[in-house]
Amino acid sequence: ILNVEQSPQSLHVQEGDSTNFTCSFPSSNFYALHWYRWETAKSPEALFVMTLNGDEKKKGRISATLNTKEGYSYLYIKGSQPEDSATYLCAFIPRKNNNAGNMLTFGGGTRLMVKP
Amino acid sequence: ETGVTQTPRHLVMGMTNKKSLKCEQHLGHNAMYWYKQSAKKPLELMFVYNFKEQTENNSVPSRFSPECPNSSHLFLHLHTLQPEDSALYLCASSQVWRTSEPTGELFFGEGSRLTVL
Repeated sequence: ILNVEQSPQSLHVQEGDSTNFTCSFPSSNFYALHWYRWETAKSPEALFVMTLNGDEKKKGRISATLNTKEGYSYLYIKGSQPEDSATYLCAFIPRKNNNAGNMLTFGGGTRLMVKP
Repeated sequence: ETGVTQTPRHLVMGMTNKKSLKCEQHLGHNAMYWYKQSAKKPLELMFVYNFKEQTENNSVPSRFSPECPNSSHLFLHLHTLQPEDSALYLCASSQVWRTSEPTGELFFGEGSRLTVL
């Protein structure tokens, strides 16, 4: 069983605050890490696909970093807005022989609520 | 037209019923997935189909039976379920490659909310 942990479980911030949360995963047999955003009553949507140690990716006010040697990834949101309220999920893909590299194990998510 | 469509969106069934969940993807992907989201638990992988072949059955009870007739359609057949099987069932698709490269992002449907009485 792969251990993919996200912290904190939930977070309340004020509009305009910057915030960050953590995804930790096994540091051995790393293949890829995904970040998804899941708004209530909608389907999860991909934010980032990260494969290289030291990767930094950015999409608007959201960015992510990756440290495969120590097994963690950070997601940052700069200047949070109410529309950023959602659950943020990370998913770890281990490297295995003869597989298509699509066995994603999800963390429990961080639920972000941004107050206007 | 959304990329991944699931029907029905809501389903209530008794423990002796037989029903099916349907998923269709319009993205030309070659991999499809069933995930289960129970209350207070992470998304749990149930089944993976790559190039229409089942490559993973994550210790799922036989009362759940997947079917993938072609690369665009995925079914989950349900039979003699238990109340603890009540959950949100999410379908997803992605593109995979036979060479050593991890999959691209998953595209999810909006889910089928199942209640077993």
